[in-house]
Amino acid sequence: VQLVESGGGVVQPGRSLRLSCAASGFTFSSFAKHWVRQAPGKGLEWVAVMSFDGSDKYYADSVRGRFTISSDNSKNTLYLQMNSLRGEDTAVYYCARATILTMAEFDYWGQGTLVTVSS
Amino acid sequence: DIQMTQSPPTLSASVGDRVTITCRASQSIGGWLAWYQQKPGMAPKFLIQKASTLESGVPSRFSVSASGTEFTLTISSLQPDDSATYYCQQYNTYSPAWTFGQGTKVEIK
Repeated sequence: VQLVESGGGVVQPGRSLRLSCAASGFTFSSFAKHWVRQAPGKGLEWVAVMSFDGSDKYYADSVRGRFTISSDNSKNTLYLQMNSLRGEDTAVYYCARATILTMAEFDYWGQGTLVTVSS
Repeated sequence: DIQMTQSPPTLSASVGDRVTITCRASQSIGGWLAWYQQKPGMAPKFLIQKASTLESGVPSRFSVSASGTEFTLTISSLQPDDSATYYCQQYNTYSPAWTFGQGTKVEIK
């Protein structure tokens, strides 16, 4: 199992950014997938989840209405569209696979991609 | 929302010591409680699922216990490789919501 995030960088407040997470080594469409972030020097914060078939999506209160999780099963890729970015969105963003048959826990993680929101 | 209170924030112990990390939920969370280990500059590693099951490859010196809303991770004989930050994480099936504890940094004296 491998998860590789990309798309991070420096962005001005109010602007948008799209993160990608390329998956391999497992049947992508059979597992729920999450985004989890970690601000510099801080703990882990769950951001969003998509069920295995894409029918259910949930968001943390801090990003609901601004971030959108999606996927392209033909490319085995998970996305996080981030709009109206704020300074407090600055973090390393990890994609993580959920344990089989649930969305409950995260068994594999990518290496993360850093998003810095700054003018 | 369910809150997870993890303690202590940091602990310093010697090689061979027994160390205990506690995670307390603000209300009943059923069985969905996981533990992760994170080393500096690296992604978290899945250690324990569903409050009790060690992942493959996790050393047997790691163990867990649960009593009501209190969950405990114990390292029976601390090793240098165990130096890391440990997080608990709960899943609320009714919300749904996912919440991490604040983390416990384990240092080797």
